[in-house]
Amino acid sequence: AQSVTQLDSQVPVFEEAPVELRCNYSSSVSVYLFWYVQYPNQGLQLLLKYLSGSTLVESINGFEAEFNKSPPSIHLRKPSVHISDTAEYFCAVSEGRGAQKLVFGQGTRLTINP
Amino acid sequence: DAGITQSPRHKVTETGTPVTLRCHQTENHRYMYWYRQDPGHGLRLIHYSYGVKDTDKGEVSDGYSVSRSKTEDFLLTLESATSSQTSVYFCAIRWQGISGNTIYFGEGSWLTVV
Repeated sequence: AQSVTQLDSQVPVFEEAPVELRCNYSSSVSVYLFWYVQYPNQGLQLLLKYLSGSTLVESINGFEAEFNKSPPSIHLRKPSVHISDTAEYFCAVSEGRGAQKLVFGQGTRLTINP
Repeated sequence: DAGITQSPRHKVTETGTPVTLRCHQTENHRYMYWYRQDPGHGLRLIHYSYGVKDTDKGEVSDGYSVSRSKTEDFLLTLESATSSQTSVYFCAIRWQGISGNTIYFGEGSWLTVV
């Protein structure tokens, strides 16, 4: 079964600094990889979608991702963060090629300091 | 906007009472999901459906049942609510698009069992 580990539970950074949120997962077969963002008391919004072994499919709000095969990982990056990026970020990986089910990491809380 | 509506959005109930959460979608998606979100656990899959009357268990299905009598509605029932079921519940749909499959989430239902 797929497992997902977000390596940092909290990441504090200063405004306009770069940030990287790290996510490792267990299976190296082709899977869908997602990053979602959750603002306080809201639902999850899709931030980025990636199909491993392919090119980046979809990215929103200036976020990028670095994909690595060994160990399998998809780290989320942004060159310059803003106060409005303060939120919790979740990495999710599909079980199976059709993205029928997602397995989530524990979440990373990103705090932007002025 | 993936056309997902959850109801109720907030509910407080007593231990031992039955509770039903409703997820309604307007775009005829085949796959629908119920996840729960708890601190330190990310989101965990409770049940999912791949068609009318076709459902399957997720990793945390104990104490929950689901029904899907029509494409647009997916109901989650707690037969006898317990305090451990206090959580935020998210419904999701799988969107099949040209760029592959994507899972989109509703706004969440906050459930407190006292």
